[in-house]
Amino acid sequence: QSALTQPASVSGPPGQSITISCTGTSSDVGVYNSVSWYQQHPGKAPKLMIYDVTKRPSGVSNRFSGSKSGNTVSLTISGLQAEDEADYYCTSYTSGTTVVFGGGTKLTVL
Amino acid sequence: QVQLQQSGPGLVKPSQTLSLTCAISGDSVSSKSAAWNWIRQSPSRGLEWLGRTYYRSKWYNDYAVSVRSRITITPDTSKNQFSLQLNSVTPEDTAVYYCVRDPRITSAVTFDYWGQGTLVTVSS
Repeated sequence: QSALTQPASVSGPPGQSITISCTGTSSDVGVYNSVSWYQQHPGKAPKLMIYDVTKRPSGVSNRFSGSKSGNTVSLTISGLQAEDEADYYCTSYTSGTTVVFGGGTKLTVL
Repeated sequence: QVQLQQSGPGLVKPSQTLSLTCAISGDSVSSKSAAWNWIRQSPSRGLEWLGRTYYRSKWYNDYAVSVRSRITITPDTSKNQFSLQLNSVTPEDTAVYYCVRDPRITSAVTFDYWGQGTLVTVSS
């Protein structure tokens, strides 16, 4: 299974909005709404931020939102804060009952 | 509050078997809604899902194609835990290994609780 494609890095100043894209295929993102986003700070386990493309778990800030168009899903973070600086990963269910991750995007808050 | 506590050796010799255990508190390995996963992370391979076990009147397993010939995930209902065995390891299997809960098997990727991670190094 090929990894989902994410930009290696994105950046923005505090208060701005940024969007991280995640592109898959018609075997994963394009046909399933089982897509999640994870935030990972150095030395920590990933944290679930978005599931089912657009849903936020309890306790996750509403500054985080998800969307989907065709074979691409996106994570938008509005009102950037210093603590948002982290690595972000997308993941999707795929045909064949498996799971595929994106390569990760490093977010820098300038 | 769900907690996952991992245990197992941090060093494994090439060609031997990697074995890790994940003890569950706050939920049951026999839950009829959750699935119990192993995921690893390395600089070269990023995050990689390895497989899962879950109970729906009987036990099921799903494994990643990349490790399907070498992996076994086993539940232990008496101890409320599940285990990972990866055979014939090579240095490419060096990674941080996580046990992870998905509360809804229907989603397959809603990983809400993670173990603390175990760095496993494959080296002689």
